[in-house]
Amino acid sequence: SAVISQKPSRDICQRGTSLTIQCQVDSQVTMMFWYRQQPGQSLTLIATANQGSEATYESGFVIDKFPISRPNLTFSTLTVSNMSPEDSSIYLCSVEGLGSSYNEQFFGPGTRLTVL
Amino acid sequence: AQKVTQAQTEISVVEKEDVTLDCVYETRDTTYYLFWYKQPPSGELVFLIRRNSFDEQNEISGRYSWNFQKSTSSFNFTITASQVVDSAVYFCALKGDYKLSFGAGTTVTVRA
Repeated sequence: SAVISQKPSRDICQRGTSLTIQCQVDSQVTMMFWYRQQPGQSLTLIATANQGSEATYESGFVIDKFPISRPNLTFSTLTVSNMSPEDSSIYLCSVEGLGSSYNEQFFGPGTRLTVL
Repeated sequence: AQKVTQAQTEISVVEKEDVTLDCVYETRDTTYYLFWYKQPPSGELVFLIRRNSFDEQNEISGRYSWNFQKSTSSFNFTITASQVVDSAVYFCALKGDYKLSFGAGTTVTVRA
């Protein structure tokens, strides 16, 4: 499986500010995704990060609030904009498409965000 | 549309007991994949198993076993002789066309 790292691992932010989360994979992958896990809840897909084009957002998530970049096949960023306490969650990067592990999704360690 | 239901919210057992986690799914796709993930208190999501819709063979990996029954749309997970380190939230997930959908998760607490 790939080594997936996320930065920062956790942060405490003030409402109204923005935070950019980075996801780095140690090998090229075809698909990268961003998920949100609110406290005590399951995981919800925010968007699919497309290399070289705009991300594909799920219902309820918009680009203005969660802009995503994917400049190459190993790196992506998710920005949480104009944060409010309701954005306090774990944000997880996920990848798919690693050789024989096609159709298996692996997850990064997550970024724990607290918004005051 | 696809949906994953984990009816058990929490399960508490004493060490060495067996524990079975239920997972029922809904999908219109003829080809799909089922997964189990473990999320320990540290928060990372650990991949446990993937099963495709054409392979109904049950699988055993150490103390873990999985029972896939397409007729009842279920993919249950059993931990045999549970240990304290098995305490975690376990998620069942389904992937159809491209999207991975998660169940609500079952919190397993193993007491010494």
